[in-house]
Amino acid sequence: QVTLTESGPVVVKPTETLTLTCIVSGFPLTNARMGVSWIRQPPGKALEWLADVFSNNEKSYSRSLRNRLTISKDTSESQVVLTMTNFDPVDTATYFCARIMRSYSYYFDSWGQGILVTVSS
Amino acid sequence: QSVLTQPPSVSAAPGQKVTISCSGSSSNIGNNYVSWYQQLPGTAPKLLIYDNDKRPSGIPDRFSGSKSGTSATLGISGLQTGDEADYYCGTWDSRLTAGVFGGGTKLTVL
Repeated sequence: QVTLTESGPVVVKPTETLTLTCIVSGFPLTNARMGVSWIRQPPGKALEWLADVFSNNEKSYSRSLRNRLTISKDTSESQVVLTMTNFDPVDTATYFCARIMRSYSYYFDSWGQGILVTVSS
Repeated sequence: QSVLTQPPSVSAAPGQKVTISCSGSSSNIGNNYVSWYQQLPGTAPKLLIYDNDKRPSGIPDRFSGSKSGTSATLGISGLQTGDEADYYCGTWDSRLTAGVFGGGTKLTVL
């Protein structure tokens, strides 16, 4: 059974750095056809793709957030970490991690439950 | 502003069929496979359709997907009240080198 579980702070101060962890089980981060992505959703708004990472450490980032995001994976710990610098009120959102299936396609077949991160001074 | 364009809302009566459109460009839908997700209130999105028209195991055949050119369509037949949710299309954008989603469509079953 594939599971993804997000963890991290639920409140972040403005300008601070957010660090989120996604612990995965049921599949190895070494599988070439699979990766992990971070996706966020502000309250009442649409999904926004943030970043992804694959087994060969190939990474992609949202162009609008590229300068603030870093994604990394720890294969031995089965976890993927996302850091976002300079947190701002507009970054308040539910952050999801999801497994990517990629061969000739690209889609998210399993999702974590999400973690709501809000800004507060 | 989402890269893919969906209608904000659609509605239909129980038992009827509804379609949800997703419009993009040659750098995304035009040259990549489309997936669709259902998000029930307060829950994480769930994969409904992948590779334009394939259903994961457990997804009923009331849900269907198609693609033509730079647009894709999700069809839901035999509507049930439990289908009330937000629906999102998604794909890879080769120019942006990023995943992209539509703005979401809220389905109301009257």
